[in-house]
Amino acid sequence: DQQVKQNSPSLSVQEGRISILNCDYTNSMFDYFLWYKKYPAEGPTFLISISSIKDKNEDGRFTVFLNKSAKHLSLHIVPSQPGDSAVYFCAASAGGGGADGLTFGKGTHLIIQP
Amino acid sequence: DSGVTQTPKHLITATGQRVTLRCSPRSGDLSVYWYQQSLDQGLQFLIQYYNGEERAKGNILERFSAQQFPDLHSELNLSSLELGDSALYFCASSDGGIYGELFFGEGSRLTVL
Repeated sequence: DQQVKQNSPSLSVQEGRISILNCDYTNSMFDYFLWYKKYPAEGPTFLISISSIKDKNEDGRFTVFLNKSAKHLSLHIVPSQPGDSAVYFCAASAGGGGADGLTFGKGTHLIIQP
Repeated sequence: DSGVTQTPKHLITATGQRVTLRCSPRSGDLSVYWYQQSLDQGLQFLIQYYNGEERAKGNILERFSAQQFPDLHSELNLSSLELGDSALYFCASSDGGIYGELFFGEGSRLTVL
């Protein structure tokens, strides 16, 4: 049973446009959400996070939106750049946060077209 | 560079064999996590250690075991290997604080033939 779902295995976006990556979760105990970015032959790196007490968190070109009632979060990248081409993993944590046993989605491969 | 070191980077072995993957966490981090990424799968949480003690267990097979040593490095032991164990194994560390961010190593790619 997948508790964190990223239903789009891949997404292609033109350079300069907005990239929107989506993530759904089923466990209502999740209270902290993170996005990780992974380049080939490298480990995932932390990108941005959001607590369940917020509905939006912004960091430069990256914004994460959380809709708790829909159990849905999204990552917006504006404007998209070639270096953003990577696999993006959504992750969630339950029980007061912390890095204990983060549950990851399967990832979305974002391809930025020139 | 995340500061997390994993060895070996690549490993090819045969079914039935046993391998050990090693992880050195970031300096000062007390928590070590192991994740498995198989083809078309997300990162599956295997196990977590905090300051030498097992703290959380995920989808880790009985053929797999791990430990964290006093110097905080960790080893993941995989035995009686099967073809399906071929995967990328990631180690991550954190300071264990609330909402702690995970820092991942580059992974160890295991191929079982």
